[in-house]
Amino acid sequence: KAGVTQTPRYLIKTRGQQVTLSCSPISGHRSVSWYQQTPGQGLQFLFEYFSETQRNKGNFPGRFSGRQFSNSRSEMNVSTLELGDSALYLCASSLVQNPNTGELFFGEGSRLTVL
Amino acid sequence: AQSVTQLDSHVSVSEGTPVLLRCNYSSSYSPSLFWYVQHPNKGLQLLLKYTSAATLVKGINGFEAEFKKSETSFHLTKPSAHMSDAAEYFCVVSETGTYKYIFGTGTRLKVLA
Repeated sequence: KAGVTQTPRYLIKTRGQQVTLSCSPISGHRSVSWYQQTPGQGLQFLFEYFSETQRNKGNFPGRFSGRQFSNSRSEMNVSTLELGDSALYLCASSLVQNPNTGELFFGEGSRLTVL
Repeated sequence: AQSVTQLDSHVSVSEGTPVLLRCNYSSSYSPSLFWYVQHPNKGLQLLLKYTSAATLVKGINGFEAEFKKSETSFHLTKPSAHMSDAAEYFCVVSETGTYKYIFGTGTRLKVLA
């Protein structure tokens, strides 16, 4: 069974550009969440989707957005990139409808560098 | 509001000696608690979870954790460290209905030969 797949794995952008990251969850998983990992702030919750609905959003500016498609695949977008957006972006999927009690399965992340 | 504090940012142990990684949590309701491990340049992997069943939770690779409500703690232990245990460990808390997990700042475990 394939794991959570994130693309691209590495990317370099310049300030002001935008970026789209993609996440394919494990087959059958309908909950997808996104986290930003940086050395200074650690892992911070971005948003969670279930059946194409955003159920919760973290404390990030509106430049960060996401969506989920009917096949559970998810994308996140960051517009007007800033240097501080450089981070590892992790996607996680969960089988259960309430992921608070279930296991999150993480992808290996997309490492974004903003120059 | 829920939060989690990992009391040590770095822990060093010798191979074959016990491991103790400390975690305290704060939660308004009955929380779910987890420990995840991250090896370099890898995603996170679940070690174990507590979801209001037995207070002593056994996980993979010989790790276990004990939920102590009176102390609001969920410390991770292993009787004997192995070189392959060197990684970063995250304590995580979540509350029903929030659909999000709150991660601690991580504890980097170093295992000395």
